[in-house]
Amino acid sequence: QQQVKQSPQSLIVQKGGISIINCAYENTAFDYFPWYQQFPGKGPALLIAIRPDVSEKKEGRFTISFNKSAKQFSLHIMDSQPGDSATYFCAASLSFSSGSARQLTFGSGTQLTVLP
Amino acid sequence: EAGVAQSPRYKIIEKRQSVAFWCNPISGHATLYWYQQILGQGPKLLIQFQNNGVVDDSQLPKDRFSAERLKGVDSTLKIQPAKLEDSAVYLCASGRRADSAGELFFGEGSRLTVL
Repeated sequence: QQQVKQSPQSLIVQKGGISIINCAYENTAFDYFPWYQQFPGKGPALLIAIRPDVSEKKEGRFTISFNKSAKQFSLHIMDSQPGDSATYFCAASLSFSSGSARQLTFGSGTQLTVLP
Repeated sequence: EAGVAQSPRYKIIEKRQSVAFWCNPISGHATLYWYQQILGQGPKLLIQFQNNGVVDDSQLPKDRFSAERLKGVDSTLKIQPAKLEDSAVYLCASGRRADSAGELFFGEGSRLTVL
């Protein structure tokens, strides 16, 4: 129930195209859904996040779509650029216990390659 | 602000040897996490601290792994004795406050190779 399932494992897109990465979860206690971007040799960095009371959030070329009833959410990268080539992780967050710090459960990652 | 610092960046040891990793979180951050990232997989939480205390260590292999957070600041993760399957990147992350929404700030990781 703590798992977050992510697909596809890898994705190749032409420059200017749309990249779409999908995630699904089971635990309805999750209440915060961030996406992290990781470049080789670096730690993951927060890209964009959404709460389940919102169906969509857009920041620049990055959009999260959230479907609470289906327990699915996705990342859309519009006008994909070679600099977007990285590994993307979806995650889900909940409070371990009332008043305590949150913890993140990560998906397995999607390696995105944007061809010039 | 300075980021999360980790050392060493790389470590190669033989199985059954011991290794220790160090993490210095962002100043003032209340929460500290150690994640294990095996090649091609997402980070997996090992242990979570809030200030000095352990919030969750349910996924830490306690027969060989140990971690502590000194005075609510720096943290060390130790593996003794190491196994081949411990080869991974060990990521340290910190969060601003106990109720932070979920943004974690990660260090660049310590890559462990066990031969």
